[in-house]
Amino acid sequence: GDSVTQMEGPVTLSEEAFLTINCTYTATGYPSLFWYVQYPGEGLQLLLKATKADDKGSNKGFEATYRKETTSFHLEKGSVQVSDSAVYFCALSDGGGATNKLIFGTGTLLAVQP
Amino acid sequence: ETGVTQTPRHLVMGMTNKKSLKCEQHLGHNAMYWYKQSAKKPLELMFVYNFKEQTENNSVPSRFSPECPNSSHLFLHLHTLQPEDSALYLCASSHSGVAGTEAFFGQGTRLTVV
Repeated sequence: GDSVTQMEGPVTLSEEAFLTINCTYTATGYPSLFWYVQYPGEGLQLLLKATKADDKGSNKGFEATYRKETTSFHLEKGSVQVSDSAVYFCALSDGGGATNKLIFGTGTLLAVQP
Repeated sequence: ETGVTQTPRHLVMGMTNKKSLKCEQHLGHNAMYWYKQSAKKPLELMFVYNFKEQTENNSVPSRFSPECPNSSHLFLHLHTLQPEDSALYLCASSHSGVAGTEAFFGQGTRLTVV
């Protein structure tokens, strides 16, 4: 079945450092790909998405490009801030069913130090 | 404000109690979902509803009983739970049949079974 694999955390960075969180997927069809973020004590919020190969999603300085050839959707940010500290989830929806249920990775905790 | 509201935010219950979690959305979505988030495990999709009909039950124990009276409301009825059922329970909703559309999440109910 479909699955998402993302890098283990925690990832600890200093403020203004470059961030990469790796995400790869396995899917039989043509999935849409998502990054969600969860701040402490909160639910998940959509950060960005891409619906087809070579699409780039971007939001709040974060970017991820849908790479079909490597089945990847790595999250990047050029300069992280303390306020970016959260858990980041990569997810896919296969789009082949009637609903858009999401399959999630395990999440990566990001801690940004001042 | 995500558009998906869950109540209560926190719940402590004994193993012999019966309680219910409530989820409400006014985003015009027709698909609703229950997810379980436990420490150090991927988000687990529990149930999927599409136009009030249950379309997926991922081998969830019968002590969890979902109810979807209309497309805007979703409940999770709990009875005779076990301590290992302690987790964050997340509700989400999305459009049906529209590939690439994202799911919107509530803030979750933190459940502790004692």
